[in-house]
This record gives sequence, C-alpha cells and structure tokens, in this order.
Amino acid sequence: AQSVTQLDSQVPVFEEAPVELRCNYSSSVSVYLFWYVQYPNQGLQLLLKYLSGSTLVESINGFEAEFNKSQTSFHLRKPSVHISDTAEYFCAVSPSGGYQKVTFGTGTKLQVIP
Amino acid sequence: DTAVSQTPKYLVTQMGNDKSIKCEQNLGHDTMYWYKQDSKKFLKIMFSYNNKELIINETVPNRFSPKSPDKAHLNLHINSLELGDSAVYFCASSQGGGANTQYFGPGTRLTVL
Repeated sequence: AQSVTQLDSQVPVFEEAPVELRCNYSSSVSVYLFWYVQYPNQGLQLLLKYLSGSTLVESINGFEAEFNKSQTSFHLRKPSVHISDTAEYFCAVSPSGGYQKVTFGTGTKLQVIP
Repeated sequence: DTAVSQTPKYLVTQMGNDKSIKCEQNLGHDTMYWYKQDSKKFLKIMFSYNNKELIINETVPNRFSPKSPDKAHLNLHINSLELGDSAVYFCASSQGGGANTQYFGPGTRLTVL
C-alpha cells in the first residue's frame, strides 16, 4: 500500500517570498506523484505530476517539484508567491501502471500574506 | 462548458433519510470516481468505475451504493444517513487510471442533522 505524508498543515508566507511545501511518500513499488491544488469552495485541479524521466517537473504558473527517489520526497516549490496562490495543496501518489487508486495526503494550506 | 458537474451543490437532510448525488462529465473519459472529503480536508477515495464497471471499492459502508448508467454518469445513493456522513463529496473523471489527470467536480456539501 502507498501512503503520503504532508508534515505541514499550514504554511504562511509573505507575498513575493519563496515557499516550499513538503511531501514524502511510502511505497514498495514504483509510483506516479502528483500535486493538486484546491481553491476555496472548488474541486481539486492538477498542478503538476511526475510519471517518469526528468525528476524536475514544472507547472504553467511557476511551481515546480522534484522527485527524489532516495529520500522518497516530492516537495513543491515556488520562488515568489502571489496572493492568488492562497489555496490548499494536496500531494498524491499512485502505483505506476494500470487502474490503480490515487492516495492523497492530508493537504497543506498555503496562506500568502500581503 | 462545465467539464465535471455535480448536483446538488448543497444537501441538508435529517438522519435516517435516503439521498442521491448525481455526477456527469462531458470530457469523454472512461473512468469516474467518488471521493469523500471530511471536515479536516482529508480526501479519501470511495469508488471508481471504468466503462461502467466497478474497479475500486474501498471500505465504505454498504449504505453507499454507486451506480453508473453510462460512461458519462456516476451517481451515489446513500441510505439511512448518519451524522458521520456529513462531508463534501467530490466526483472526478479521467481517461484511464493511474498516471492520468483526474478532473474534479465542484463538490456536494452534505450536512446530516
């Protein structure tokens, strides 16, 4: 079975400051990794995902995450946050291949302070 | 054009009642899901259907019964509602499973009194 740990339930950060949201996973098989974002009163949206290949993946709005197999981590970073980045961020893992379920972490609330 | 839609958006009901939530996707996807998000934002999969066939059935009370009349629809019927069923229920869809992006609906906030 897979599991995901997001150690930080809340991360306050000033506007234009950098941020890192931490995610660690546990799995005995190879995995796919995802970051989803949930804005207030909305459903989740995919931010970025790692399937294979380059360990650094980027989103269109400036976020990036790096897959680190030895540390079983997939931390999300942004060099300069905006007010509009305020949201809940979920890390998720799925075993690679086939119709496998996606297991979500407990989420990290990013609060950008003006 | 809403990709994944759910009705109703809010549902307030008494304990013991039976209720249904409907989900429709117009993305042409072959896989649909139901998730439950509790008050602490923890998101847990309940069911998944691929081409109308149940492929994931987590440990969910049998008061919850999903039904997929076709690939574009996945409904959730809940019998004998309990206080602990209060949550936000999300429907999602994807083309295939695993690696493929899931597209979530706006959620249905169920409150059981």
